[in-house]
This record gives sequence, C-alpha cells and structure tokens, in this order.
Amino acid sequence: DAMVIQNPRYQVTQFGKPVTLSCSQTLNHNVMYWYQQKSSQAPKLLFHYYDKDFNNEADTPDNFQSRRPNTSFCFLDIRSPGLGDAAMYLCATSLTRDYGYTFGSGTRLTVV
Amino acid sequence: AQTVTQSQPEMSVQEAETVTLSCTYDTSESDYYLFWYKQPPSRQMILVIRQEAYKQQNATENRFSVNFQKAAKSFSLKISDSQLGDAAMYFCAYRSFYRDDKIIFGKGTRLHILP
Repeated sequence: DAMVIQNPRYQVTQFGKPVTLSCSQTLNHNVMYWYQQKSSQAPKLLFHYYDKDFNNEADTPDNFQSRRPNTSFCFLDIRSPGLGDAAMYLCATSLTRDYGYTFGSGTRLTVV
Repeated sequence: AQTVTQSQPEMSVQEAETVTLSCTYDTSESDYYLFWYKQPPSRQMILVIRQEAYKQQNATENRFSVNFQKAAKSFSLKISDSQLGDAAMYFCAYRSFYRDDKIIFGKGTRLHILP
C-alpha cells in the first residue's frame, strides 16, 4: 500500500558518474518535491514541481536536475556526483497547502 | 525568510513518562501551518500532528499534543506515556498559508526512549 515509492533504497555510485533516483506516487498529488538530507541535518529542498511547473531553489547546484514526465513519476538526476553529494534523498508529495507532505522512504546515496 | 529552530539536538525519556520537544519559529506572516514529523531510524518520515495558526485550540492526536503559543512563536510537542516505538528523529516544520508550497524544517531532535 506504499503511496510514495522511491527506488532504489540504497544507491552506490562512482565519483563523477551520472546517477538517477526515481520517485513514483499513487496519490495523484499535483506537487512533488525532492529534498536532500545529510546526517543530523534538516532536509533541504532542492526543487519541486507544481504539476509540470518546475521550481528550482536558488542554492540548488546545477549538478542536480529533475524530470517529471507525468503526474506519477519524478526523477532526480545528479550529473557528476561528488563526495559531498552523499546523502539521503527524500521525495515527497502534497495535495494542497493545508496538508503536510507524504514522504517516500528515501534513497541513501553513497559516492565512492 | 521563515526559519524554524529546534534547540534540543537530543533528548531522552523513560518509557511511560512524558517528554516535551521544543520548537520556535520566525515569520512575519499571520497565517501558516505548523507540523511535527517523525523519522524513525532507516524508516519513512511521517506526519505526527499539524496545527493551523488561525486556530487557537491546540492540536491533539492520541498521545501527542502541541502547545502552540502564537505570540511567542513557539510550537512544542508533548508525548505522553512514551513508548519504545516513539524513538526517532522529530522535525518541527513550517508552511506558509499564502505563498510557496514548500515546508521549512528545523534541524530535528533525536528522541531516545529508555526502557
């Protein structure tokens, strides 16, 4: 019954090798978010989609890109991962402003 | 810009006891939403409780309740009858009523439950 699904749960990638993380949802929520969470830190918003409208945070590095081909799916592409990009990546969805998010289980990215 | 501050990086409580987690926030807006999220180790972040700023009544969900002090910009979480399953990282979070869709999180408080 998982409603926001992130794949894979654990991802190991090589320094500089492009990697894609995926998120899917069965909730039909129109807003989807990608957060980066490093150890013992607050989740940091990278970008979000309101339907097809892409909203990038001002301090999100150009190394991070995203795609949302349809309502259900959203992808996070890291073009050239560095050691500093090792983190938990959280996908979340939201229906309306007065509700919180529904989170996926996250993908833990390791860069070697 | 809005900020959320959790001043207690870690807390411990004896099983069955009551614990209060603190949160303060800064905003110039009059209407907004506040949340507490729970993130167990290696598990999904889930919503514990939410509060609308225009409601004076404090939100309650079973053993979880909040003390919302709008003038003081304070939003603490009280967990009664603590259980081992309450052990987790707890995040306080803010969401604007007027603009933007993003939630702003505090740095979190790690709660340990002592058997």
